[in-house]
Amino acid sequence: AQSVTQLDSQVPVFEEAPVELRCNYSSSVSVYLFWYVQYPNQGLQLLLKYLSGSTLVKGINGFEAEFNKSQTSFHLRKPSVHISDTAEYFCAVRVGSGNTGKLIFGQGTTLQVKP
Amino acid sequence: GAGVSQSPSNKVTEKGKDVELRCDPISGHTALYWYRQSLGQGLEFLIYFQGNSAPDKSGLPSDRFSAERTGGSVSTLTIQRTQQEDSAVYLCASSFSPGQGAYEQYFGPGTRLTVT
Repeated sequence: AQSVTQLDSQVPVFEEAPVELRCNYSSSVSVYLFWYVQYPNQGLQLLLKYLSGSTLVKGINGFEAEFNKSQTSFHLRKPSVHISDTAEYFCAVRVGSGNTGKLIFGQGTTLQVKP
Repeated sequence: GAGVSQSPSNKVTEKGKDVELRCDPISGHTALYWYRQSLGQGLEFLIYFQGNSAPDKSGLPSDRFSAERTGGSVSTLTIQRTQQEDSAVYLCASSFSPGQGAYEQYFGPGTRLTVT
């Protein structure tokens, strides 16, 4: 069965510092990978996605992620965070290219940006 | 344009009562998904509708849970005889047909269900 592991439940970081949120997945077939952000009391918003092609994917709000097939990882990075980046971040995988589009999510990482 | 909307935003119910949660997808989206977000289980897939095809119900946790989608648009998730472990945020998402290469799901703000 496919699974997604987010290695850190909480990541505290100071404003303007770089941050990396780690995500590993398990699947023996092709996958499509996503990072979503959830601000307090809101739904999920797509940050970025990897479908194919370049392994470095750029998203909104200055975030980027790198797909590493050999390590089955899709870590999210930002070179300089802002207070407004404080939120919960979810890594998700969609398996295969069939008609079902359901996503399997990791447990989430809470990013706490401190002034 | 309008995003995915869900109602109610909050629902408090007594154990044993039935509840209905509503989702209005983005106009033109043929695929609709329900997920559940709870403290212990994270984000879990519940059910998926695509056009007139039979829904994928593989994520429904028990037969107390059911969902329907009328006219290919609005969906209702029904939980019968609610239990305290049903307390969670229920999220709805929609997208264009995933079979045609649409990958981005747009999420609603969720319905927070509290079973007392």
